[in-house]
Amino acid sequence: DADVTQTPRNRITKTGKRIMLECSQTKGHDRMYWYRQDPGLGLRLIYYSFDVKDINKGEISDGYSVSRQAQAKFSLSLESAIPNQTALYFCATSEDPGQGLTDTQYFGPGTRLTVL
Amino acid sequence: KNEVEQSPQNLTAQEGEFITINCSYSVGISALHWLQQHPGGGIVSLFMLSSGKKKHGRLIATINIQEKHSSLHITASHPRDSAVYICAVEDGGSYNTDKLIFGTGTRLQVFP
Repeated sequence: DADVTQTPRNRITKTGKRIMLECSQTKGHDRMYWYRQDPGLGLRLIYYSFDVKDINKGEISDGYSVSRQAQAKFSLSLESAIPNQTALYFCATSEDPGQGLTDTQYFGPGTRLTVL
Repeated sequence: KNEVEQSPQNLTAQEGEFITINCSYSVGISALHWLQQHPGGGIVSLFMLSSGKKKHGRLIATINIQEKHSSLHITASHPRDSAVYICAVEDGGSYNTDKLIFGTGTRLQVFP
């Protein structure tokens, strides 16, 4: 079984609908991230969480919200979807090695979202 | 100007060729990551390095902190190496956040 899973894998929705993308991990990592990927652009950070009580905005958080329900679960919501939120969304996790150090990020398989 | 620039954007090669993908960045960093994105979309971390050189199988990553430059080399390339290779840097000013700044990727196609 994959260590980082995302549901759904594909979603088509209409403008104005509320959408939730879910991410679950079995790696036991404290840190979780949501990114979006658009053609011709690099991955961009939407939100990140260092533990259940710590949630932070990334560079493109407008129009999105998140919920960290447990160490293993981190959900991304689009309260009122708009067409320019059509993109590929990735969840990722990493350990906290402490002492200000960084660690490898492990990515989920992605969710392809289309907003009509 | 993007903070992370990769070159080339697209690369084609014959099986067996030696491949080099370059990454230049403009910020001070604490670490640099190389990632591979498969045609199906999945992303896998290949390397994380902050100095010197790392090797894993046919893949070699090097970094020159003074020149703000990293290279990813693939020796004896194979069609299964066809993917998008992404460079990402961790801003040295973002203490303990793992916040990455991503390049736009290099699309590699290796033909038999």
